[in-house]
Amino acid sequence: DAKTTQPTSMDCAEGRAANLPCNHSTISGNEYVYWYRQIHSQGPQYIIHGLKNNETNEMASLIITEDRKSSTLILPHATLRDTAVYYCIVVLANAGGTSYGKLTFGQGTILTVHP
Amino acid sequence: DGGITQSPKYLFRKEGQNVTLSCEQNLNHDAMYWYRQDPGQGLRLIYYSQIVNDFQKGDIAEGYSVSREKKESFPLTVTSAQKNPTAFYLCASSIGQGLAYEQYFGPGTRLTVT
Repeated sequence: DAKTTQPTSMDCAEGRAANLPCNHSTISGNEYVYWYRQIHSQGPQYIIHGLKNNETNEMASLIITEDRKSSTLILPHATLRDTAVYYCIVVLANAGGTSYGKLTFGQGTILTVHP
Repeated sequence: DGGITQSPKYLFRKEGQNVTLSCEQNLNHDAMYWYRQDPGQGLRLIYYSQIVNDFQKGDIAEGYSVSREKKESFPLTVTSAQKNPTAFYLCASSIGQGLAYEQYFGPGTRLTVT
């Protein structure tokens, strides 16, 4: 799986958009970008994923650059409850064998939303 | 409500004792996973199971054992052979092939061994 690079920490004002970048310059054509977040002392929560096209759901939007070497997770109106560690993970589509379903969590980005 | 339950939330054991962590899901998911998280670190995969009566080692399986006798349950035993068992243990499940990476996590069990 391709390696990802994320900033260690970011701040965002409540009510503003939070834009979390992720670099995955070695991503291959059949690898997806997944985003999870982990609120302190809880289990991670799936947010969104994408392959090539931009994606949006009730939680966030995912913007993937045309060359797929980077992506941005957007929380349109951040709230205090969005304070968490955000993980960007690249996974191989339909991986079998020992890679099946394995999510490799790096250090992530600590997002702090302040009033 | 559908979800994953892990019990207990906090667990304390003496060194040399085996301990079993519970994980139950009522999401009708085929696949289940166990991860370990150390302070300030990401998650690491211990074991996973794609279907009942089948499971595979993850990256750090040494000192752990699992069983998958029922679709809903995937207990993890931390044996005395695990050198550094104190950690936050997370169980997850997913529908299965094609959506294996969209995993739902339980609240976790924080194990302290002294």
